[in-house]
Amino acid sequence: QQQVRQSPQSLTVWEGETAILNCSYEDSTFNYFPWYQQFPGEGPALLISISSVSDKKEDGRFTIFFNKREKKLSLHITDSQPGDSATYFCAARFYTGGNNKLTFGQGTVLSVIP
Amino acid sequence: DMKVTQMPRYLIKRMGENVLLECGQDMSHETMYWYRQDPGLGLQLIYISYDVDSNSEGDIPKGYRVSRKKREHFSLILDSAKTNQTSVYFCASRTGGNTGQLYFGEGSKLTVL
Repeated sequence: QQQVRQSPQSLTVWEGETAILNCSYEDSTFNYFPWYQQFPGEGPALLISISSVSDKKEDGRFTIFFNKREKKLSLHITDSQPGDSATYFCAARFYTGGNNKLTFGQGTVLSVIP
Repeated sequence: DMKVTQMPRYLIKRMGENVLLECGQDMSHETMYWYRQDPGLGLQLIYISYDVDSNSEGDIPKGYRVSRKKREHFSLILDSAKTNQTSVYFCASRTGGNTGQLYFGEGSKLTVL
């Protein structure tokens, strides 16, 4: 059972466009949602994160929008650059009580064409 | 600079052979993880370690075991490897606090023939 789902599986945008990556989850106890970025041949690295008390988190060209009622998130990458081409993973965790388990989605492969 | 090191980076084994994947971190993080990554499936959690000799099964522990005898070192062991264990394996360690960040190694690509 996939508790965290991402769409689309792959996405191609032109340089300068806004890329929108979607994520949904099932477990209503999840309250912390990091996004990880992975380049080929490397391990994932934390890009940006949000907790369930916020509905928006912005960091430069990267913005997370969070809808707690619908259990959905989206990552918006504005002014996309070829260097943003990577796989993006949405993840989720219930972060109290010593729970360290982080559940990942299946990833979205983003390609930015110059 | 926080670093997680995995060895070996590439490994080819025959079905039935034993496999040892090793992971080290220099940040004294208590919590460490082993994930496997397969196309279309994302990252699947195999085991979590909360500290020395304190390990917990993740979502897909069958066919794997782990060892953590020192805080900075976490091993994944496959006894009698199977072809469906061909994958890329990632180790990670986690900073403290409720929103602790995972630092991943570069991965170990295992092929079981």
